[in-house]
Amino acid sequence: NAGVTQTPKFQVLKTGQSMTLQCAQDMNHNSMYWYRQDPGMGLRLIYYSASEGTTDKGEVPNGYNVSRLNKREFSLRLESAAPSQTSVYFCASRLAGGVQYFGPGTRLTVT
Amino acid sequence: QKEVEQDPGPLSVPEGAIVSLNCTYSNSAFQYFMWYRQYSRKGPELLMYTYSSGNKEDGRFTAQVDKSSKYISLFIRDSQPSDSATYLCAMSDIIQGAQKLVFGQGTRLTINP
Repeated sequence: NAGVTQTPKFQVLKTGQSMTLQCAQDMNHNSMYWYRQDPGMGLRLIYYSASEGTTDKGEVPNGYNVSRLNKREFSLRLESAAPSQTSVYFCASRLAGGVQYFGPGTRLTVT
Repeated sequence: QKEVEQDPGPLSVPEGAIVSLNCTYSNSAFQYFMWYRQYSRKGPELLMYTYSSGNKEDGRFTAQVDKSSKYISLFIRDSQPSDSATYLCAMSDIIQGAQKLVFGQGTRLTINP
């Protein structure tokens, strides 16, 4: 069991470039989540997917889009990266009634 | 005002000390309370999970929830250098299908040998 995996681990983008962060889980979990972590801010929810085929906005969705490709995979897309999106991004998944398990994170720098 | 407040520290204590970490919150709808531990450059890992008010103990760790005061605590007994990490409190209300966690800022803890 790999748990929650994220790719890439690190990424540097220039302002205006686009990229997709990938997340996959092999625990047959129903819901999946994307968070960002900034110094002094804790983790903030960007988007989540309660089940395959559904997605909803979290606390800080502006500038991001998501796709729940299937039950295993949930991707986060930055269409036009901005320096304010420099952060560490975490994906998590959860079985109904259970707790959230987090991936190792993607460190993104936008210059 | 943030929905969940947590003193960011840093907190530095000698090995063997009892550590107390705390969070306050404002949303009375929160029912599920968690403590996550995060080592440097790693993802958060669940340490303790409590539903509603009361205490829960797991080895050297005790979680307390006081819903009347909107206050939660994590106690670490006989602290070890390996406990050095950032501790994040998190909470959520009852949501069908998905659990939208609200996190505190995290407290950076260092246990000195």
